[in-house]
Amino acid sequence: NAGVTQTPKFQVLKTGQSMTLQCAQDMNHNSMYWYRQDPGMGLRLIYYSASEGTTDKGEVPNGYNVSRLNKREFSLRLESAAPSQTSVYFCASSEIAGNYNEQFFGPGTRLTVL
Amino acid sequence: AQSVTQLDSQVPVFEEAPVELRCNYSSSVSVYLFWYVQYPNQGLQLLLKYLSGSTLVESINGFEAEFNKSQTSFHLRKPSVHISDTAEYFCAVSSLTSGSRLTFGEGTQLTVNP
Repeated sequence: NAGVTQTPKFQVLKTGQSMTLQCAQDMNHNSMYWYRQDPGMGLRLIYYSASEGTTDKGEVPNGYNVSRLNKREFSLRLESAAPSQTSVYFCASSEIAGNYNEQFFGPGTRLTVL
Repeated sequence: AQSVTQLDSQVPVFEEAPVELRCNYSSSVSVYLFWYVQYPNQGLQLLLKYLSGSTLVESINGFEAEFNKSQTSFHLRKPSVHISDTAEYFCAVSSLTSGSRLTFGEGTQLTVNP
């Protein structure tokens, strides 16, 4: 089992460029999440998908869109990148929505927006 | 709404010394509590969790945490740390009313010095 995989590992963008961060899990989990991690702020939830076919906003959704492509894959899109979106992005998955929540994390994508 | 506060942003200790990383939470309903560890340039890994039952929970590498409902705390302890314990530690909380959402604290950087 690869667990949760993310691509790319690193990315540098110019302001205004767009990109999609990819995430896939092979644990047959229902729920998937996108977080951003900034120094001193812990992890903040951007969007989540409680089950295939559903997505919901988290704490900091502005400037992002998501797609739950199928049960395995959950992508995060930045339509017009801004320097404030410079961060480390983590994807996670968990077993059952609405139950206790043991989340499994990917290795992260380090994004720099110039 | 639920929230988590980690009381120390940085904790430096010497090798073989005891350590306590403090975590307080706020929630109006029953909670599930987690400690995650993040080694440099890696994703988060679950260290231990409290779901129900015994209020003292242990990890395989010598950490333990005690759920204290009256003080709304879930402090992480280790009696003797190693250099390899150097990492960032995150406390997190979820509840049945939060659905599948975890709320993370800001993180505590533990640095173990020789």
